[in-house]
Order: sequence, then C-alpha cells, then structure tokens
Amino acid sequence: EAGVTQFPSHSVIEKGQTVTLRCDPISGHDNLYWYRRVMGKEIKFLLHFVKESKQDESGMPNNRFLAERTGGTYSTLKVQPAELEDSGVYFCASSQWRLAGLNEQFFGPGTRLTVL
Amino acid sequence: AQKVTQAQTEISVVEKEDVTLDCVYETRDTTYYLFWYKQPPSGELVFLIRRNSFDEQNEISGRYSWNFQKSTSSFNFTITASQVVDSAVYFCALSYNNNDMRFGAGTRLTVKP
Repeated sequence: EAGVTQFPSHSVIEKGQTVTLRCDPISGHDNLYWYRRVMGKEIKFLLHFVKESKQDESGMPNNRFLAERTGGTYSTLKVQPAELEDSGVYFCASSQWRLAGLNEQFFGPGTRLTVL
Repeated sequence: AQKVTQAQTEISVVEKEDVTLDCVYETRDTTYYLFWYKQPPSGELVFLIRRNSFDEQNEISGRYSWNFQKSTSSFNFTITASQVVDSAVYFCALSYNNNDMRFGAGTRLTVKP
C-alpha cells in the first residue's frame, strides 16, 4: 500500500512568489492534515480536512496560506505571496475516519520550502 | 494549554551507549495520547509508539523502551546499545482531540561509530 506522498520534495522560490504544495493521502483516508516545521522548531499543526471540508484551520498562520481538498482526495497548500518566514518543512498526514478513538496519522516525507 | 517540551536539542553518543530522550508535556485533559516519532535523514516521520493517558505501563520494544510517568508529566524514550542507524531527529507529541497533534521541537540524536 502506498503511503502519503508529497510533491515537490524541495522548492526554492523568491520572496513574493507563489508556491503550491501537494499532498496525496493514503487511499481511503478521509482525514488529511497539514503541519509545518520552521527553523528547527516544533512541528506545528496548520489544518485538518475531513474529506473535502475544513474541520479545523486554527493553525493557519495568515491569509497568505490557502488549503484546498477538492473531491476529498489530494490536497494543495498554496502560499501567496511567500515571505521569508514561510521557509520550513511542510508535512502532510492522513488517517482513517473513526467515530471514536484515536485516528492514527501517517505522515508524508515533507516538502522543504526555502524562500529567498 | 497543551504543550510538549523536549529540552535536549542535540545529543551525541558513541555507538553501544545507552541514551535517554526526555519529553515533558502539559495538558488539562484527562484523556490524551502521547507519541514518539523518528525522522531519519530521508525526512519522513516514522511512528514509533503511542500511549494513552490511562495506560502508564512502561513498554519495551527491542532496544527501545518508554517510561510514562503521569506524576511528572513525562514520557521519556531510551535507546539501549545505540547504533549508527539510530541517528535521527526524534519528536515527542501529544494529541488531545484525536486530530491535531502538538509536537515538541525535536531532539537530534547523533550516534558515532
């Protein structure tokens, strides 16, 4: 079974440009999460989709970040315009939907974003 | 507030040494889950263990062991007889609502031959 995949693995852009990150969750996983790790700090939650709906986007830093999950399959995270402080590693995770109990999250390899 | 603290930023040991990675957490919830993940140089986060707040039994898996103590809000991770392949960044995490996870800053472990 394929795991969570993310594209690209690395992206280097200039300040002010736009970048779109993509995440393909494990097939059949309704939950999809975005996290990021900035400058060697903790990994921070950004948002959570259940299918195509945003369940929780409390971690999104500002309105330069836009996440979508059309059709409830893959998700994109767009940063527009990118700022220097957006540099970091963006992780995606997915999990199955369960009515109760813990949804174990499976993480992708991350996308390393560098904004110059 | 939920918070995870990994006070050790970097640890360096020589192969075959034992090493303990510390994790201290804060939460007001009575039900919560604690995790350890490994991030090898390849970048992906590899799940190691999950414990729920009602199960304080320590766990051993091969050279890995975990010590969960609610009295001190700690969930420490020990690697016995470390190997070079154990070199990675290790993250401790806390989940309270079954969805968003709160991670610590990570501890970079380097095991030298």
